[in-house]
Amino acid sequence: AQTVTQSQPEMSVQEAETVTLSCTYDTSENNYYLFWYKQPPSRQMILVIRQEAYKQQNATENRFSVNFQKAAKSFSLKISDSQLGDTAMYFCAFMKPSVSRGKLIFGQGTELSVKP
Amino acid sequence: DAGVIQSPRHEVTEMGQEVTLRCKPISGHDYLFWYRQTMMRGLELLIYFNNNVPIDDSGMPEDRFSAKMPNASFSTLKIQPSEPRDSAVYFCASSLGTGAAGELFFGEGSRLTVL
Repeated sequence: AQTVTQSQPEMSVQEAETVTLSCTYDTSENNYYLFWYKQPPSRQMILVIRQEAYKQQNATENRFSVNFQKAAKSFSLKISDSQLGDTAMYFCAFMKPSVSRGKLIFGQGTELSVKP
Repeated sequence: DAGVIQSPRHEVTEMGQEVTLRCKPISGHDYLFWYRQTMMRGLELLIYFNNNVPIDDSGMPEDRFSAKMPNASFSTLKIQPSEPRDSAVYFCASSLGTGAAGELFFGEGSRLTVL
């Protein structure tokens, strides 16, 4: 079975600085998807960034980028120029494409606080 | 375009009562998912539908839980009878089959408290 581990329950960063959230996963699959979802205090989960395992190039979305290390089964999220609105829970998630288009396995989350 | 709409946003009930949670997916989306979030177990998939048909309900905890999708614009998750351990936030999410795999659009969740 696949597992997703986020070893940092809480993190904080000063506004405008850079922070990296860690995620590791365990799978025997060769093809899969990885995600970072954000859950602000409003509770609504929002997709931040998505990575396909067969792509070697790391995904980027504006201030958000990932460091995908397939051999190490590591998938970290880097947030540059942190903003107060980035304060949220961040969840790393894994998905096997052969199973379904939305059966995600989530990590336990990292609570990020951006301080002014 | 309106997002995924869930109701109620909060529900407090007593053990043994029936609870019905409702979801309206984004128009045109053909996948609908019910997730549950608790402190102990995190986020876990309960059931999902494709074109209104239940595809995988292996995450449904037990027979007290049931979900239906009578049409493309409405789904319910019912708990009968409810128990204190069912207290959680229940999320509905929808997605487009032709869209990016794993890109789910979540509602704001229904926080259920069973006393």
